[in-house]
Amino acid sequence: VQLQESGPGLVKTSETLSLTCSVSGASVTEYYWTWVRQSPGKGLEWIASIYYGEGVYYNPSLSSRVTISLDTSKNQYSLEVRSVNAADTAFYFCARAYIAVLNYFDPWGHGTLVIVSS
Amino acid sequence: SSELTQDPAVSVALGQTLRITCQGDSLRNYYASWYQQKPGEAPVLLFYGTDNRPSGIPDRFSGSASGDTASLTITGAQAEDEGDYFCSSRDTTGNLLLFGGGTKLTVL
Repeated sequence: VQLQESGPGLVKTSETLSLTCSVSGASVTEYYWTWVRQSPGKGLEWIASIYYGEGVYYNPSLSSRVTISLDTSKNQYSLEVRSVNAADTAFYFCARAYIAVLNYFDPWGHGTLVIVSS
Repeated sequence: SSELTQDPAVSVALGQTLRITCQGDSLRNYYASWYQQKPGEAPVLLFYGTDNRPSGIPDRFSGSASGDTASLTITGAQAEDEGDYFCSSRDTTGNLLLFGGGTKLTVL
């Protein structure tokens, strides 16, 4: 299973960031699919997860500004972050997730750096 | 609670054994998973729960749990084990996926 993020690299303050994760070796109709971000030099922050036909789950601290969605025809999933600011500057990773009593993320994409600047 | 607490940094002599810990109330109800991250790279899953090691991960990495603390043990640390280690689990409500702040490992 391989995941590959794609995105703009640079986004202006107050605009919308759109990222896509292309999945190969697995179907996005199975498993949880997740976005995680990491500000440069900082720790990891879970953003959102989605399970086909079941639902979406958001970090409450970001839920008012983010949307995660699936495109089953392209075997991809996406993240939209609205009204971005400097605090949204980070490496964004996509990952397959297993969410139950036992929770883990595997595998991960290589990550894509998004810089928010005016 | 909504926190998983890790020591910011640890060091170990080459070939020695060390334990990296992750503490949080939610670990009484949910298992932890562990990740290694090297500079410029994505995290890699090392261990999850108390007896699950992904294929390709050396058997010197193992996990355990007791009460509100999960631990990752590296038995016989190697130079290539240097990097950042993160734990992950859920918060006590079960609605939030969490990561610990990370532990930077130096192999001396």
